[in-house]
Amino acid sequence: GENVEQHPSTLSVQEGDSAVIKCTYSDSASNYFPWYKQELGKRPQLIIDIRSNVGEKKDQRIAVTLNKTAKHFSLHITETQPEDSAVYFCAASQEKLTFGTGTRLTIIP
Amino acid sequence: NAGVTQTPKFQVLKTGQSMTLQCAQDMNHEYMSWYRQDPGMGLRLIHYSVGAGITDQGEVPNGYNVSRSTTEDFPLRLLSAAPSQTSVYFCASSASTGDGGGYTFGSGTRLTVV
Repeated sequence: GENVEQHPSTLSVQEGDSAVIKCTYSDSASNYFPWYKQELGKRPQLIIDIRSNVGEKKDQRIAVTLNKTAKHFSLHITETQPEDSAVYFCAASQEKLTFGTGTRLTIIP
Repeated sequence: NAGVTQTPKFQVLKTGQSMTLQCAQDMNHEYMSWYRQDPGMGLRLIHYSVGAGITDQGEVPNGYNVSRSTTEDFPLRLLSAAPSQTSVYFCASSASTGDGGGYTFGSGTRLTVV
């Protein structure tokens, strides 16, 4: 089955700086790669996703890149703000959605 | 449009007891799934369904049963609760599998087995 690895497990950045989270996947048949944000005690919420026929997608301060050959994808958050502090999960899917183990992002004011 | 509704929000069980976690969605989504979330381990898939009458196992199915008699409902049954099943359980639904679109999560059920 699919295996998704996510790094780093924790990340602290100064407010205004950029944050990058990286994931790799094992199943070359996976064709959908979402990213979720989970605040403490809340449900995961989709923040951006990318499909296998696209190399990059951007939504305001958030962008995702996908390298299908290398089987890795990354989340980029620019101009970070305190409200970006949360746990972020990557995931990969062909039929089943498999999650990475999460990155706890802390924005330092 | 309530989205994905899970009940109960909190539950304490004694070892050996059984219970059913309820999940309902009103978005006419075909795909539904159950995850458990444990510290440091992300979200692990328990069971999933690609449509009414069709279910399949995920990564950690042991000790859990599911059924999908309608499009709307996807209950998760714990047959004989064990302390290892203490976790937060999330139900999720999607319009389709694979690259079909985003998954919507319920608010979760926090289960403690003593």
